[in-house]
Amino acid sequence: EDQVTQSPEALRLQEGESSSLNCSYTVSGLRGLFWYRQDPGKGPEFLFTLYSAGEEKEKERLKATLTKKESFLHITAPKPEDSATYLCAVQFFSGGYNKLIFGAGTRLAVHP
Amino acid sequence: EAQVTQNPRYLITVTGKKLTVTCSQNMNHEYMSWYRQDPGLGLRQIYYSMNVEVTDKGDVPEGYKVSRKEKRNFPLILESPSPNQTSLYFCASSLLKGAAAYNSPLHFGNGTRLTVT
Repeated sequence: EDQVTQSPEALRLQEGESSSLNCSYTVSGLRGLFWYRQDPGKGPEFLFTLYSAGEEKEKERLKATLTKKESFLHITAPKPEDSATYLCAVQFFSGGYNKLIFGAGTRLAVHP
Repeated sequence: EAQVTQNPRYLITVTGKKLTVTCSQNMNHEYMSWYRQDPGLGLRQIYYSMNVEVTDKGDVPEGYKVSRKEKRNFPLILESPSPNQTSLYFCASSLLKGAAAYNSPLHFGNGTRLTVT
């Protein structure tokens, strides 16, 4: 079954305490993996797209990596303003159609 | 400013009373889509549209209708809402031209929180 699983569901960090969020997927025909950030009361906002295993993308304190089965979003020395829900989504080709599946998200809280 | 605008932001209604949630984008995007977001389930696609007059079902289309008469607008219609349609709804758009554009990121509106009693 095509599935995207994010872990942990929630993560509490102290300011400056680095950590990683995980997005694992069981799909074939991967076309791309997306990371989004969602603030309370807002729609998801695009962060990164990764296309192939070994690829890495960076933006400020965030770094996304991709393997054949999962992606990690590494947060280095987080600040309170990094608090948000982080969503990953997997685009793949199945049955003649392009499909996009979102994970349930990881709620990150960074405390000063 | 490039944006996707949804209205209303909050809506409380009763079972069976028809409603429409509007969505408009000003980026000249061809692709538009509706999602619902429920706790623990992630975003699930309701309907999508590849272009004007071209719409198709997503993963959870039952109880919903859409139309795409103009490129910028993509309203979501609930003909007879039921309590299980209580959810947070998002409209999204992306630039979609040719097969390579399937990896275009989605631009989301700020959501419509619907409660059906």
